[in-house]
Amino acid sequence: QSGLTQPPSVSGAPGQRVVISCTGTSSDIGSGYDVHWYRQLPGTAPTLLIYANKNRPSGVPDRFSASKSGTSASLAISGLQAEDEAVYYCQSYDSSLTAYVVFGGGTQLTVL
Amino acid sequence: QVQLVQSGAEVKKPGSSVMVSCKASGGTFSSDAISWVRQVPGEGLEWLGGFNPTIGTSHSAQKFQGRVKITADKDTSTVYMELSSLRYEDTAVYYCARGREGYTLFDYWGQGTLVTVSA
Repeated sequence: QSGLTQPPSVSGAPGQRVVISCTGTSSDIGSGYDVHWYRQLPGTAPTLLIYANKNRPSGVPDRFSASKSGTSASLAISGLQAEDEAVYYCQSYDSSLTAYVVFGGGTQLTVL
Repeated sequence: QVQLVQSGAEVKKPGSSVMVSCKASGGTFSSDAISWVRQVPGEGLEWLGGFNPTIGTSHSAQKFQGRVKITADKDTSTVYMELSSLRYEDTAVYYCARGREGYTLFDYWGQGTLVTVSA
């Protein structure tokens, strides 16, 4: 499975802003399909963080924002807090039908 | 509030099959597509397939076609995932997840089921 491309890790100090990129192809993000973001804490199931490119579910603070352009998307986290340390995944739909759903490889965020 | 409750951990021998269940409550089982996503220890998320009740059929990733079977019992609101011809590399945590838009936008997840393939 090819998957979306994310950096394996990013880091930042408390209070700083970090950005996690997610790069796809013309078969997924580039076909206009929405990008969704999930956060996973160790030993737990992923939880929805951002849906449809830029929307936050209720309860997700506005420190989290996201955007999409062309074949890429990005997640920005401002005002970093210790509890933001987690693995973040992007996800989209795959029109090539090797798999209907495609995930990024995940990005470990470390708060220094 | 949607809840997805999965069956317990399994230990299976190579070449055998495993079936994991996912019981849904609080949603609309007749219209909620349920997907199966796995996570090999230390690695990322991988979609195996799903069941779409609005069209009454299941779909699977090309990688797992022929090995994964996803079925649903509407009377018990339970979706089943059976993976056959198990290999050591199938050792993973298997999650079920509800797709708010078919097989995407997973807004609720099960707790995960660890499947260990060991001789």
